[in-house]
Amino acid sequence: KAGVTQTPRYLIKTRGQQVTLSCSPISGHRSVSWYQQTPGQGLQFLFEYFSETQRNKGNFPGRFSGRQFSNSRSEMNVSTLELGDSALYLCASSALGGLNQPQHFGDGTRLSIL
Amino acid sequence: ELKVEQNPLFLSMQEGKNYTIYCNYSTTSDRLYWYRQDPGKSLESLFVLLSNGAVKQEGRLMASLDTKARLSTLHITAAVHDLSATYFCAVDSGSRLTFGEGTQLTVNP
Repeated sequence: KAGVTQTPRYLIKTRGQQVTLSCSPISGHRSVSWYQQTPGQGLQFLFEYFSETQRNKGNFPGRFSGRQFSNSRSEMNVSTLELGDSALYLCASSALGGLNQPQHFGDGTRLSIL
Repeated sequence: ELKVEQNPLFLSMQEGKNYTIYCNYSTTSDRLYWYRQDPGKSLESLFVLLSNGAVKQEGRLMASLDTKARLSTLHITAAVHDLSATYFCAVDSGSRLTFGEGTQLTVNP
């Protein structure tokens, strides 16, 4: 069974640009969550989608947005990039989300802002 | 706001020794997970703890959960070099994980 797939693996952008990251969950999983990992702040929850609906959102500015498609694939968009957005962005999927099942993580997209 | 604290944050130990990593959290929850992360890699699920008193073991690692004390432990028995990694606990508050800071474990020969 294929795992969670994130693309691209690495991305370099400049301040002010926007970026879209993609996540394909494990087949059959309907919940997709996004996390930001930085050395200073650790792992922080961005948002969670289930059946194309955002169910939960972390404390990030509106520049961070996401969506989920009918096939459960998800995208995350960050607009007007700032230096502080440099991070590893991790996507995780679970079958039902929040119901006693671990989230399975992808390899992440490492975003660098110049 | 849920807070999750791990200690120690850095742990250097010799092969063959035992040690425990602690994970405290601030609000009631009965779902806690442990993950492992190798440098440059993603998070690997180790244990799922779903009730008070839950104990899970896999190889040299054993995890437990005390929901009344809001405490989980990850015990390492007879450490080996392959266990060197960063270990995270995460508390599940309804489709959302709040992670501890992580414990960077180095096992020396």
